[in-house]
Amino acid sequence: AQKITQTQPGMFVQEKEAVTLDCTYDTSDPSYGLFWYKQPSSGEMIFLIYQGSYDQQNATEGRYSLNFQKARKSANLVISASQLGDSAMYFCAMREINFNKFYFGSGTKLNVKP
Amino acid sequence: NAGVTQTPKFQVLKTGQSMTLQCAQDMNHNSMYWYRQDPGMGLRLIYYSASEGTTDKGEVPNGYNVSRLNKREFSLRLESAAPSQTSVYFCASQESSYNEQFFGPGTRLTVL
Repeated sequence: AQKITQTQPGMFVQEKEAVTLDCTYDTSDPSYGLFWYKQPSSGEMIFLIYQGSYDQQNATEGRYSLNFQKARKSANLVISASQLGDSAMYFCAMREINFNKFYFGSGTKLNVKP
Repeated sequence: NAGVTQTPKFQVLKTGQSMTLQCAQDMNHNSMYWYRQDPGMGLRLIYYSASEGTTDKGEVPNGYNVSRLNKREFSLRLESAAPSQTSVYFCASQESSYNEQFFGPGTRLTVL
């Protein structure tokens, strides 16, 4: 079974609109962390946001927020007020703390239209 | 602070050649990782080192070896390169399990 599933290979969003990138995960480790990374066309990996499995509140970092629904095992990334510079690949990742494993999803390519 | 550095940035090898990818971090992180990223795909973990002196296999370790030389440096070796190892290789480091990983700029490797 896939540990991290990102079902949207590509998405378009209009500049200044909000967009949600989906991520579901699968783990039996009760202690885990969820991460989102951005990879622009230049290739570097940029950390965006982190959510711990025991965190009660959804994580937020500026225009990024993580919609964490633990029972549904989903960790969707919400980008508010999209900008042209947000066009990139976005990867969801999970760290299983007790199992000491780290997994990445296949990514979602976001295109922001002017 | 340079963060995570990788050398070389690009490399072309012939099938059967060997090479070592170098990675160093200056953030005093305990854990270090090697990933590969194939076109249009996410990252897959090759090997990791939870602390100095320890290394463990990840998801795709076959054909690779690693060395955690000291706390700063973690190298990846291809003993006999194959075309299937054509990929972009990323090194990363992490302070603890609850922190994000910091990535190097990547090494683009082509095996002919």
